[in-house]
Amino acid sequence: GAVVSQHPSWVICKSGTSVKIECRSLDFQATTMFWYRQFPKQSLMLMATSNEGSKATYEQGVEKDKFLINHASLTLSTLTVTSAHPEDSSFYICSAGIQGANIQYFGAGTRLSVL
Amino acid sequence: GQQLNQSPQSMFIQEGEDVSMNCTSSSIFNTWLWYKQEPGEGPVLLIALYKAGELTSNGRLTAQFGITRKDSFLNISASIPSDVGIYFCAGGTSYGKLTFGQGTILTVHP
Repeated sequence: GAVVSQHPSWVICKSGTSVKIECRSLDFQATTMFWYRQFPKQSLMLMATSNEGSKATYEQGVEKDKFLINHASLTLSTLTVTSAHPEDSSFYICSAGIQGANIQYFGAGTRLSVL
Repeated sequence: GQQLNQSPQSMFIQEGEDVSMNCTSSSIFNTWLWYKQEPGEGPVLLIALYKAGELTSNGRLTAQFGITRKDSFLNISASIPSDVGIYFCAGGTSYGKLTFGQGTILTVHP
């Protein structure tokens, strides 16, 4: 149980285009989903917290107009990187939280390369 | 943002050896979690701890929630090559967010 599916696993795009990443909880309902960014050999950096049916809460320094988050259902959250630039190239990972358990289950991550 | 102090940063060990890593914090946490991440993958939950003093095992892995609620350790016994990866501790509060350690890179030589 507690499987989180993230898609795509790898994407290459041209500078200036937008990229959408999907995160789904497959066998449980996730009231809260989280989006992280990870640089090579570093820890996970929380970008935003996404609650179903409400606006995402962004961490300090994360541009909400650049990284659009939608959490339309209890099993799906999306992250859209708008007008991507090479400096947005990174490993993006989502996680889903189970209410009351204070645990997060992670997706497999998305490697974004912006040319 | 805030991070936990995780040590050691890296370990190079021989197959069969035991491994120990720990995390400390200046803040109290309600939950301590240990994750393992392999290259190109997301972190996988290994052990979750919910009570101060709790000692929990998962196969060859054993973890403890410190009495002060400000620390936790993870032990791996009789390491094998597939234990290779980055191990992260994470502290959780009642608000659902996790604070992560910097990670311990484990290399196991056959």
